Amino acid sequence: QQQVKQSPQSLIVQKGGISIINCAYENTAFDYFPWYQQFPGKGPALLIAIRPDVSEKKEGRFTISFNKSAKQFSLHIMDSQPGDSATYFCAAVKGAQKLVFGQGTRLTINP
Amino acid sequence: NAGVMQNPRHLVRRRGQEARLRCSPMKGHSHVYWYRQLPEEGLKFMVYLQKENIIDESGMPKERFSAEFPKEGPSILRIQQVVRGDSAAYFCASSLLGTGQSGANVLTFGAGSRLTVL
Repeated sequence: QQQVKQSPQSLIVQKGGISIINCAYENTAFDYFPWYQQFPGKGPALLIAIRPDVSEKKEGRFTISFNKSAKQFSLHIMDSQPGDSATYFCAAVKGAQKLVFGQGTRLTINP
Repeated sequence: NAGVMQNPRHLVRRRGQEARLRCSPMKGHSHVYWYRQLPEEGLKFMVYLQKENIIDESGMPKERFSAEFPKEGPSILRIQQVVRGDSAAYFCASSLLGTGQSGANVLTFGAGSRLTVL
């Protein structure tokens, strides 16, 4: 069964700190790994994504690190801000098939 | 571009009633996906549709649940004889690409419909 395991389930970080969320996958055929951000009462929104042919992708304060051999990828949020407080979902997909989501991480940034 | 529109945003039903959730995809998108999110859980795939066709319903419960995406109008997720376990947020997403097409399948989600079964 295709699975994506995400940790931690919840995370509290001080303002200005680095938030790190980890995901591991099983299916080596996955070839696209997006991260979604969800605020309370809203739908998930695409934040950043990576393909397995690169080890890192950075967009502003958000960075994805990808370790193909370990089948792991992580989201790093630098200089975390209270406005980053949300639930974050990693996901994986093979080709253009349906997305498989991790369980989600509730991130709280304390001011 | 209004994005993916879902309604109602909140729906309360008593056990045994029917729930109908509607989704209008983004302009130009012809691929619609329904996901269910239980409290404190991730998003679980339910069904993928194109206009007038169900492409993949592998995540849909075999009974009481149905989905359609007619030639005209929004996609509809229908839950008959609701039970308390159906209480969840139901998200619709649309994409420009679908299965069988090359490229990343980037989904745009709606704000969700939150169903509460009393």
